[in-house]
Amino acid sequence: SQQGEEDPQALSIQEGENATMNCSYKTSINNLQWYRQNSGRGLVHLILIRSNEREKHSGRLRVTLDTSKKSSSLLITASRAADTASYFCATDADSGGYQKVTFGIGTKLQVIP
Amino acid sequence: EAQVTQNPRYLITVTGKKLTVTCSQNMNHEYMSWYRQDPGLGLRQIYYSMNVEVTDKGDVPEGYKVSRKEKRNFPLILESPSPNQTSLYFCASREQGLNTEAFFGQGTRLTVV
Repeated sequence: SQQGEEDPQALSIQEGENATMNCSYKTSINNLQWYRQNSGRGLVHLILIRSNEREKHSGRLRVTLDTSKKSSSLLITASRAADTASYFCATDADSGGYQKVTFGIGTKLQVIP
Repeated sequence: EAQVTQNPRYLITVTGKKLTVTCSQNMNHEYMSWYRQDPGLGLRQIYYSMNVEVTDKGDVPEGYKVSRKEKRNFPLILESPSPNQTSLYFCASREQGLNTEAFFGQGTRLTVV
């Protein structure tokens, strides 16, 4: 089963609105990362939040992490049409002596101009 | 420019005809991995390598082989492709250790008929 599960699976908003995506996971993690994928292309790293951090910002992105609830959220403020993409959370956890990164199914975001 | 390069980007082949997808990174990363992406399933890890001559199975290794003779290259080999291996494949690399981001190639869209 997927370690990270994003919610919602699809989201459609108007340009200028905020977009919030959530990620839940099952086991203890070292960190949680968010990636972006434009249609059919490679994933691009957005932000990494360590297990001992609760919130992190990068430009218009804000990520929170609640390890007690095993959940994270990605907030994109003042969305733009260019933010249209799929967003994936990835958990980095110890697995048999190495750090395994496991991806969720993703949230497909559409920002309507 | 730091990058992960996959080739080919698109490939249509017939069942049973051996093929290799190449992956090369120029960042001197120890860790490399292969993923396949299918609708509704997200990214699933096929194989990974923690260093030269060190490879191991991921979550969906059946029908695939890999090799890691040099640090920069990590080819994915399909000895006898089948239609269920039709998918979008991604190679990724990252530094070994905690809290490192992954760099992805642009993807290889494989169709097996």
